[in-house]
Amino acid sequence: QSALTQPASVSGSPGQSITISCTGTSSDVGAYNYVSWYHQHPGKAPKFLIYEVSNRPSGVSNRFSGSKSGNTASLTISGLQTEDEGDYYCSSYTTNRIVIFGGGTKLTVL
Amino acid sequence: QLQLQESGPGLVKPSETLSLICNVSARSISWKTFYWGWVRQPPGKGLEWIGTIYYNEKTYYSPSLQSRVTMSMDTSKNQFSLKMNSVTAADTALYYCVGTGSNWFDPWGQGALVTVSS
Repeated sequence: QSALTQPASVSGSPGQSITISCTGTSSDVGAYNYVSWYHQHPGKAPKFLIYEVSNRPSGVSNRFSGSKSGNTASLTISGLQTEDEGDYYCSSYTTNRIVIFGGGTKLTVL
Repeated sequence: QLQLQESGPGLVKPSETLSLICNVSARSISWKTFYWGWVRQPPGKGLEWIGTIYYNEKTYYSPSLQSRVTMSMDTSKNQFSLKMNSVTAADTALYYCVGTGSNWFDPWGQGALVTVSS
């Protein structure tokens, strides 16, 4: 099963909103509402941001929101802050009972 | 607060077996509604799911690694482990142990760097 497709990089200015897409197939993203998102600062372990497409774990800012349409999931970050810089990864459960990740998106806050 | 900590050799020779242990604190690994897994990240690259082990020791592995990977649990020590045989340089990575609700991962250990080199 191939990795989910994410843009290599996105950028935005402080205060703006950006959206990162995560495209899969009808066997993964399109099959279930089991998409999650993670944020990784350099040299750190990933941080859990979103689960089951649009749910935020306790403690995650409401500036982060998730959605899905068909085989594409999206993460939107509103009110960009410099601390939001880093790499973002999506993942999806699949019909084969495995999990696949996206290739990652580097966010730069200009 | 649930915490995970990886341990194991940082250097493994090609063709040998990589072995890592994840120590879990503040929650029993036998809990039936929470599971355990491994994710790796080669230097400068993205995340790759390795596998998940359930409370009943049922396992699911990445198809690309399935032939070389074994995950197990030791409930008496509240830890789970990863073994990967026949390693090559392509297996050099930061290996994270994770808690998982089957389709999401949290928390993450700090990661253990394993280098495959002679």
